[in-house]
Amino acid sequence: GAVVSQHPSWVICKSGTSVKIECRSLDFQATTMFWYRQFPKQSLMLMATSNEGSKATYEQGVEKDKFLINHASLTLSTLTVTSAHPEDSSFYICSAPGLAGNLNEQFFGPGTRLTVL
Amino acid sequence: AQSVAQPEDQVNVAEGNPLTVKCTYSVSGNPYLFWYVQYPNRGLQFLLKYITGDNLVKGSYGFEAEFNKSQTSFHLKKPSALVSDSALYFCAVRDMGNTPLVFGKGTRLSVIA
Repeated sequence: GAVVSQHPSWVICKSGTSVKIECRSLDFQATTMFWYRQFPKQSLMLMATSNEGSKATYEQGVEKDKFLINHASLTLSTLTVTSAHPEDSSFYICSAPGLAGNLNEQFFGPGTRLTVL
Repeated sequence: AQSVAQPEDQVNVAEGNPLTVKCTYSVSGNPYLFWYVQYPNRGLQFLLKYITGDNLVKGSYGFEAEFNKSQTSFHLKKPSALVSDSALYFCAVRDMGNTPLVFGKGTRLSVIA
């Protein structure tokens, strides 16, 4: 099956700094990628949809200036948490829809755990 | 709008007994339904999906799920639970195309030896 990778797998940063998380589709092209956020013991909440070659679309309540998304190529989307604060600490997961022959599938990265001190 | 309900926060079952994790959904068109499992500090692992066809779907690790259109349910089942099945289980739904999955809140399964 298709593989989605994320880097880093975990990161600790100081309050006020910015953190970039990369999401890559390793063996397929993804014109669309989804970014989810998961708080401890809670469900995945969709933050935004990343679109290659155009602006990301954000879910209601998600600050687009705080969570910058760039879909630089057909295999790479990045999420930058700007001026991070402790409340931004969370598990961030990206995913991409499947290949043309399997559009119903959605493949998930392993997640990035962000801790802001 | 799509939504998924997992009515149980926690399910406890003895090893060797059958298990059921419940899920109901709401979607405007034909549903595409999924079950994922998550182990601590790990990403999601795909278990099974229903797109069309047979209402009983068999997936990974001996899990299966039954699609019931009249009850809008997609309960996850396994005939004989293992301690290693203990994890967080998510039901998810999407409609057609490249729309993102919408997840239920998750159900924590605990299998006791």
